[in-house]
Amino acid sequence: QLQLQESGPGLVKPSETLSLTCTVSGGSITGSSYYWAWIRQPPGKGLEWVGSINYSGNTYYSPSLKSRVTISVDTSKNQFSLRLNSVTAADTAVYYCARHDGPWGRGAMVTVSS
Amino acid sequence: QSALTQPPSASGSPGQSVTISCTGTSSDIGTYNYVSWYQQHPGEAPKLMIHDVSKRPSGVPDRFSGSKSGNTASLTVSGLQAEDEADYYCTSYAGINNFVVFGGGTKLTVL
Repeated sequence: QLQLQESGPGLVKPSETLSLTCTVSGGSITGSSYYWAWIRQPPGKGLEWVGSINYSGNTYYSPSLKSRVTISVDTSKNQFSLRLNSVTAADTAVYYCARHDGPWGRGAMVTVSS
Repeated sequence: QSALTQPPSASGSPGQSVTISCTGTSSDIGTYNYVSWYQQHPGEAPKLMIHDVSKRPSGVPDRFSGSKSGNTASLTVSGLQAEDEADYYCTSYAGINNFVVFGGGTKLTVL
């Protein structure tokens, strides 16, 4: 059974870089032609797609975040990662990793505060 | 403002049916048959209920069904049960420029 788990700091200072890693277990990240995604949810609000990547490194980013986002994949570790730079309080959210049309991780709460 | 438009709330009594709409444009729902629906209970991660407009993943009750007409997709929950009370989000593929767009979510209340 495919499972995803987010990991990374829960607190990031304003203007710094948010970094999260998603570890995939129970299956290979290189399997088929799946895309892997980061989605976030600010407290009390709806879901927002951040970006997606496939195992060969093809990436797609939300137009509103594109200038600050980098998503990468490490097939040797069966992981993919998110970096969001120049964060502000508006980036405070639960960050989920997921396989497109598949399971999601449990989410990681990231707070941007000094 | 979300790219896909959903009603903020919907409700129904146990045993009834309720339909949640998701309206997009010809750049997303109207062109691609890649609409998905997610269920989210408070404090939990979203769960995939429908993909590719009308396909149910293994384990999802057949009380949940999806459809599409033009630029609008719909999720129908038949035989409402108390555990169906949750937030529901639609999402669609939107081409290589936007890739994925979400709806703002609909809170389903079982009366």
